[in-house]
Amino acid sequence: GAVVSQHPSRVICKSGTSVKIECRSLDFQATTMFWYRQFPKQSLMLMATSNEGSKATYEQGVEKDKFLINHASLTLSTLTVTSAHPEDSSFYICSATRRGSNQPQHFGDGTRLSIL
Amino acid sequence: SQQGEEDPQALSIQEGENATMNCSYKTSINNLQWYRQNSGRGLVHLILIRSNEREKHSGRLRVTLDTSKKSSSLLITASRAADTASYFCATAPSGSNYKLTFGKGTLLTVNP
Repeated sequence: GAVVSQHPSRVICKSGTSVKIECRSLDFQATTMFWYRQFPKQSLMLMATSNEGSKATYEQGVEKDKFLINHASLTLSTLTVTSAHPEDSSFYICSATRRGSNQPQHFGDGTRLSIL
Repeated sequence: SQQGEEDPQALSIQEGENATMNCSYKTSINNLQWYRQNSGRGLVHLILIRSNEREKHSGRLRVTLDTSKKSSSLLITASRAADTASYFCATAPSGSNYKLTFGKGTLLTVNP
């Protein structure tokens, strides 16, 4: 199977702190990775699409300077929430997909971010 | 914009019963996928059905796709307590294999 590891699983920090979340595909090369945000009892909201070696594509309304995405290799993408504030508290989930048509996305276990 | 819309929003059944969840979408798709999410966890891919397919099976799961009605259904047969989770449909629009739009999900509770 395809395994995606997301770390950390939970972060609690003070307002103004920057937080980095890592997403790794452990057993396959992920040409594309995605970052989602999920509010309680709601669906996933796509934040950005990350392709290895190129700039991320952000969805409308998502601040690129606030949510920095780096996709340095075919197995690693990072999301940095800069100068986090309480309204950034949420569940962040990454996913990765292989190259090719009709490939499913494989998800990490998510990061629960709580900003005090 | 929200593409997939699942119904019902919540479903509660007894172990052994079948559970059916529906999904409707609005635009042309390349494929439709179903995912399961346990509380506080990431999503697990269940089934992908292509736009030229009408039905697909995987174990106790059966997915149908009606592109003329822009709808899909997920049937879980002989449900178990461990099937308790939220189920989401997601659509990949025509021309894009990668970007998915998720529905709001159905919360399934299977009572022992």
